[in-house]
Amino acid sequence: SQKIEQNSEALNIQEGKTATLTCNYTNYSPAYLQWYRQDPGRGPVFLLLIRENEKEKRKERLKVTFDTTLKQSLFHITASQPADSATYLCALDPDNYGQNFVFGPGTRLSVLP
Amino acid sequence: NAGVTQTPKFRVLKTGQSMTLLCAQDMNHEYMYWYRQDPGMGLRLIHYSVGEGTTAKGEVPDGYNVSRLKKQNFLLGLESAAPSQTSVYFCASSPRGQGYAEAFFGQGTRLTVV
Repeated sequence: SQKIEQNSEALNIQEGKTATLTCNYTNYSPAYLQWYRQDPGRGPVFLLLIRENEKEKRKERLKVTFDTTLKQSLFHITASQPADSATYLCALDPDNYGQNFVFGPGTRLSVLP
Repeated sequence: NAGVTQTPKFRVLKTGQSMTLLCAQDMNHEYMYWYRQDPGMGLRLIHYSVGEGTTAKGEVPDGYNVSRLKKQNFLLGLESAAPSQTSVYFCASSPRGQGYAEAFFGQGTRLTVV
């Protein structure tokens, strides 16, 4: 069956460290993958989109990798801050028609001061 | 510029009642989506629309209907609410399909069916 998994439900790290979140997928062959941030009581906010021919993408302190062989995307936040505490969702295009996305369950990141 | 606005923000329904959730976007986006979010299950697509007058089923469409009579509005209807439809509902829009462009989400509607 098709499945998207994110490494853990919750991740605690110390301020200043690099947070690494994992998104693994099974029985999909996505050409695109996105990462979103969601704060409690709010809708998700788009962070980054990466295509299968882009091994890595960066935006300020954020970095995303996409390994289609391992069927995995890694999301890194460098020099993490308490303000980075949120739930992070990965999403992929299930049929590559570009019309809709399937979301993972999310990882709740807590950056401790 | 409001972005994506959902109405209402909270609602409690009795089993068997009907209601309509309204989503409005002011960004002239072609694509609009309705998701539900339940603890531990992530966002699941209910229905989506690729343009005015079009609708399509997503992953969990049963028990819901939608309409996109105007480009800026996407309505989600529950004809006969069931406790299993207790959830947080999110509307989103994007200028092109989500595979090519970011999706903008509303603030959510928390629905409780008792």
